[in-house]
Order: sequence, then C-alpha cells, then structure tokens
Amino acid sequence: DSGVTQTPKHLITATGQRVTLRCSPRSGDLSVYWYQQSLDQGLQFLIQYYNGEERAKGNILERFSAQQFPDLHSELNLSSLELGDSALYFCASSVLVGGETQYFGPGTRLLVL
Amino acid sequence: EDKVVQSPLSLVVHEGDTVTLNCSYEVTNFRSLLWYKQEKKAPTFLFMLTSSGIEKKSGRLSSILDKKELFSILNITATQTGDSAVYLCAVVAGTASKLTFGTGTRLQVTL
Repeated sequence: DSGVTQTPKHLITATGQRVTLRCSPRSGDLSVYWYQQSLDQGLQFLIQYYNGEERAKGNILERFSAQQFPDLHSELNLSSLELGDSALYFCASSVLVGGETQYFGPGTRLLVL
Repeated sequence: EDKVVQSPLSLVVHEGDTVTLNCSYEVTNFRSLLWYKQEKKAPTFLFMLTSSGIEKKSGRLSSILDKKELFSILNITATQTGDSAVYLCAVVAGTASKLTFGTGTRLQVTL
C-alpha cells in the first residue's frame, strides 16, 4: 500500500457523459500527478499539481481538467467522454516538485460504453 | 521528444533463473531513472537511479545506470513466481517532473 488513495475503483459510463476521479496523496506529499494507462499507449503523463497550483501539463485533452484543493486532494474531471477514453487512470504523489520518487495509487478503471 | 525503450517486450523463465531487463533512453537534461513493478494494478516503486555506475540493490533485485551509454539494467536473481509482473522503466528529464515511461517488459516466471 503506497498511501495514495483513489476513488472510485471502477467506473462505467456512457459516451458524452462527465465523470470525476478523486485522489488523496500520501500524508505530507505536496505534488500530485495524473497518468492514463491504455493498452495501446502505455502510461502517459497528463498533468501535475504542486501545492494547489498547476505545475506541468502533458498530453491532456481539452475535455479533461484537474484541480488540487487546499487539503491537497486532487480531482480529475473528464467530460464529453468517448470510447477511446476507456483506460486506467492513476494518481501519483511525491513530497516535492520533481526528480524524486512518485508513489502510485491503485487507479480508477474507466469504461466508456 | 523524450523516449524510453525497454527490451525485451516479454520474457518467460523458469523459477530460479536470473533475468536481465533493459532500458535505454533518449532525453534532454536527464535527471533520474526509476524502475517500477506492476502486477495487477498500481506500479510499485523499486529503485531510483541518478548516478552512473552505482548499483542499487534490494534483496534479489539490483539495478545499475550507465549515463554515458544512456541505459539501465534491472537484474533479478533466483526468480520466483511472485516476480511475475510488468517491469516499467521511467525517466525524469528537464525541468518537468513528469515520468516518461517505457512500454514495459512482461516477465512470467513458471515452475
């Protein structure tokens, strides 16, 4: 158990819908990262927040957005869902901003039908 | 664009064998290389390497980085069925904190 928690574990929804994935980092970690893992793309970085502010952006679609709240938990919002958005979404956290180890949560498996 | 390549893609060995997994990278301003083990769900951290030539070791697992030749290896000795997993290599480079992952090596250890 890494100490990073994610909810829900599984999510099944329809195309065009909107969902919110939630992540709580390890105690004391200020940075939160979101990754998407699909069969054809592997693990891809989406976005990073550090102490409430967006720090880095990867291949995140405009339909996706995230935020980090004052208590440091983070939410990833996915809207206008498409079949291709079906994937495992991982949250990771680290103590500081960069270069050090990132610890991954158990992930949320999203299935868009 | 940062690139991380792992080989082999897949490997089947017998329990007790020793395996070597490879990771090469092409990145700008390398900072660190990390190895993760992914079984059913979340990648679990194994090692972080930042300096060339220094071996990191944990039990039967060890890893070393060659910054000149831009690669790392992960060795597993006396493999057990519990070592069956996908092993992921990731690199941190530049000013970004993101991990750039390779596609992974799927290791299956049979009895």
